[in-house]
Amino acid sequence: GAGVSQSPRYKVAKRGQDVALRCDPISGHVSLFWYQQALGQGPEFLTYFQNEAQLDKSGLPSDRFFAERPEGSVSTLKIQRTQQEDSAVYLCASSLGGLAVDTQYFGPGTRLTVL
Amino acid sequence: AQSVTQLDSQVPVFEEAPVELRCNYSSSVSVYLFWYVQYPNQGLQLLLKYLSGSTLVESINGFEAEFNKSQTSFHLRKPSVHISDTAEYFCAVSGKGSQGNLIFGKGTKLSVKP
Repeated sequence: GAGVSQSPRYKVAKRGQDVALRCDPISGHVSLFWYQQALGQGPEFLTYFQNEAQLDKSGLPSDRFFAERPEGSVSTLKIQRTQQEDSAVYLCASSLGGLAVDTQYFGPGTRLTVL
Repeated sequence: AQSVTQLDSQVPVFEEAPVELRCNYSSSVSVYLFWYVQYPNQGLQLLLKYLSGSTLVESINGFEAEFNKSQTSFHLRKPSVHISDTAEYFCAVSGKGSQGNLIFGKGTKLSVKP
């Protein structure tokens, strides 16, 4: 079956532009996570959804970052007024349940470059 | 809060040699432990995980990891590596009772040479 997909795979933005990154989780998966992976670093948690509810947004680095999952399926991560430090790979993961024991399945990521 | 340390950023080995990728963690609560692998141009995939029970866990492709609570370690080992094991390996933890967000180490690039 289909895995987690993300689009676009690559995005180049000029500083100050707004961007929207899309994640299509595995069908039926309750939990959805966003992570940010800077060059040479491991992924860092940004935010978590259980169905349509955003239960944790403690990892979002600033109020320029906003995420939504309005129907409990597709999610969008929006970054307003992009800055160079936002350049990173943005990873989306989904899991079947809402428990820490559940395996997270990752998408291929969106590589964002801010010029 | 939790943190994960992977001491080796790069590990070069020859084919059929044994390898150990080190992972230490710090946490004020009990944790679940994971190893993820990222092959070139692919997404992260779960390799193995420790939830409870036997401290030795194995993957289907010959890797194993042992949870050592006293040393707060979860090192990954393979007795004989193949060229196809060339990838980046990430150790991660999540707090028991949490929603499951993973705390990752910085990763170790395993390069297997013929």
